[in-house]
Amino acid sequence: DTGVSQNPRHKITKRGQNVTFRCDPISEHNRLYWYRQTLGQGPEFLTYFQNEAQLEKSRLLSDRFSAERPKGSFSTLEIQRTEQGDSAMYLCASSPGSGRSYNEQFFGPGTRLTVL
Amino acid sequence: EDQVTQSPEALRLQEGESSSLNCSYTVSGLRGLFWYRQDPGKGPEFLFTLYSAGEEKEKERLKATLTKKESFLHITAPKPEDSATYLCARGIREKLTFGTGTRLTIIP
Repeated sequence: DTGVSQNPRHKITKRGQNVTFRCDPISEHNRLYWYRQTLGQGPEFLTYFQNEAQLEKSRLLSDRFSAERPKGSFSTLEIQRTEQGDSAMYLCASSPGSGRSYNEQFFGPGTRLTVL
Repeated sequence: EDQVTQSPEALRLQEGESSSLNCSYTVSGLRGLFWYRQDPGKGPEFLFTLYSAGEEKEKERLKATLTKKESFLHITAPKPEDSATYLCARGIREKLTFGTGTRLTIIP
C-alpha cells in the first residue's frame, strides 16, 4: 500500500501526559500537512511542511503542540500536557507540491486521541 | 474571513434517486475547490479538484461542477455504498479550509 500511513490508529491517555503521533506520507510527495477533526466538523488545518521546513502554523497550534519532519520524510506530532479538549482525530495528508496537482492532498486513516 | 458552507447538512435518498449537494465559498484567493468522501472513523478520500468556473469532473455516479461562488456535487442513481459524508474544501495558499460536510444516506 503506497498511501499515507499513520500510527498509532488509536491512543487513550490521561490528562497531563505527553503523546506522539507518526505520519508516513506518499513517498514522492514533498508536502506534508497535519489537521485535526472533531465530531461533526470538517478537518481544521494545524501545520504543514515543505520537505523538512515547517512553513505555516495555525493559531490552533498552541505551545503544547510541536511537529517535526526530519530529513523531509516521516513527520511526528507531539502534544505535551494533554487536555481533554485535545480529544479529536488527528489527520495527516501529503501532496506533490509541484505541477498542476501540487495541492491535491491525500489523507491517512487518522489517529484518534482520547484524553481521559 | 475564509468561509466554506455546505448544504444540506444531511440528505436521505432512495436508491436510484438523483440529487445534488451544494458548497458555497468566499471567492478571493481560491486555489482549487476540493471534494472528499469520508466514511465513519476513516480519513477523507480524495474525489475531485476544480480550479476554474465552468470546470466539470466525473467519477462513476459523481459529477462535480464549479461556478464563481459555488460548487455542486451531483450524484446520479446512487447506491447504498455511496452513503458517506461528503466534504468540500477550498484551497487557500497552501492549506485547505473545509466545510462541515453533507451526511448522505442512500436507502435500499
